[in-house]
Amino acid sequence: DAGVTQSPTHLIKTRGQQVTLRCSPKSGHDTVSWYQQALGQGPQFIFQYYEEEERQRGNFPDRFSGHQFPNYSSELNVNALWLGDSALYLCASSSRDYDTDTQYFGPGTRLTVL
Amino acid sequence: AQKITQTQPGMFVQEKEAVTLDCTYDTSDQSYGLFWYKQPSSGEMIFLIYQGSYDEQNATEGRYSLNFQKARKSANLVISASQLGDSAMYFCAMRRPISSGSARQLTFGSGTQLTVLP
Repeated sequence: DAGVTQSPTHLIKTRGQQVTLRCSPKSGHDTVSWYQQALGQGPQFIFQYYEEEERQRGNFPDRFSGHQFPNYSSELNVNALWLGDSALYLCASSSRDYDTDTQYFGPGTRLTVL
Repeated sequence: AQKITQTQPGMFVQEKEAVTLDCTYDTSDQSYGLFWYKQPSSGEMIFLIYQGSYDEQNATEGRYSLNFQKARKSANLVISASQLGDSAMYFCAMRRPISSGSARQLTFGSGTQLTVLP
């Protein structure tokens, strides 16, 4: 049973560029959440996708956008990158059918903005 | 708003001993979920244990147990018989009730770095 996968593992961009991160959820899961984790801090919620719609959004600007596909995989797009976007981006999947709604995380994508 | 507080930035424990990692939370919800995750230096967040606010018994998963004291709003993680592989960052997290609809995101604390000494 494959877990949550993310690509790429590492990414280096320059200020002003755009980036797309990808996530495939755990088998049987229909919900994908994205988190940003700055160095030395806990993850911060960006948004969550369910049934191909953004269901909830954290305190992040519109430069952060996403998409969910019919196979439940998801993309996170960040436009106009700036230095402060350097972080570990974590994708988590879960199922709304499960009582605990536990989120399982992928290995993350480490983004460096120069 | 929900808040998670982890007051121990770093902890040391001798191999084979037990260790308790502290977590306190603040919420106005009557129903909520509490989670502990382990994050090794590789970065992946590994789910360890879950406690529902209405669960009468403390959750246990192998060497992990959750000391849940609802009145004190604390949810401490106890790791028994520590192993060298337990060295990692540990995060406490909270989720609002599922019945609240779309409010399913996790709110994390700042984490505790655990080092197991040989």
